[in-house]
Amino acid sequence: GAVVSQHPSRVICKSGTSVKIECRSLDFQATTMFWYRQFPKKSLMLMATSNEGSKATYEQGVEKDKFLINHASLTLSTLTVTSAHPEDSSFYICSAREGTVNSPLHFGNGTRLTVT
Amino acid sequence: QKEVEQNSGPLSVPEGAIASLNCTYSDRGSQSFFWYRQYSGKSPELIMSIYSNGDKEDGRFTAQLNKASQYVSLLIRDSQPSDSATYLCAVNGRATNKLIFGTGTLLAVQP
Repeated sequence: GAVVSQHPSRVICKSGTSVKIECRSLDFQATTMFWYRQFPKKSLMLMATSNEGSKATYEQGVEKDKFLINHASLTLSTLTVTSAHPEDSSFYICSAREGTVNSPLHFGNGTRLTVT
Repeated sequence: QKEVEQNSGPLSVPEGAIASLNCTYSDRGSQSFFWYRQYSGKSPELIMSIYSNGDKEDGRFTAQLNKASQYVSLLIRDSQPSDSATYLCAVNGRATNKLIFGTGTLLAVQP
């Protein structure tokens, strides 16, 4: 089955630093990947849609200059949280689908970011 | 009206019982429907996909879809304590390639 790998699984950083999270589709090519954020006991929130070879599409209210997305190849998308602040502490999860738009999303294991 | 609605629960069932999880959606043109399970602190994992009206069974899980009523459900037979998790209903938006998630139903299976 489709496997999505996400790294790192956990990161602690100081306020003001930047953090990069990688998302890879291991056994399939993904022209589109999706980045979600989830706060404790809250629902998944779609942040942006990452498109291979073009700019990401951000959801309303998500700062594109703060959350930089790069989708440089068909198997790799990265999310960089720039100048992180404690309020950016959250669970970030990437996902991708293998096949058509009616196929399910497969999720990475997520990255728990703590900004001190 | 939310695009995908679920009762947040918690839904508490005794071990061995049938758990019934429900979801309604607003976009009548939606084509694909999914159930995900999410354990606390983990990412969602796919349980079932369903695309046409009726029932689809996979082991202890049965997904039911009624497009006329815009309703999709998940039945878990012989519930186990290990089934305790949040169950997310997801619907593919007709106009986009995004999956729209409900807020999830917390299931607690009591031993």
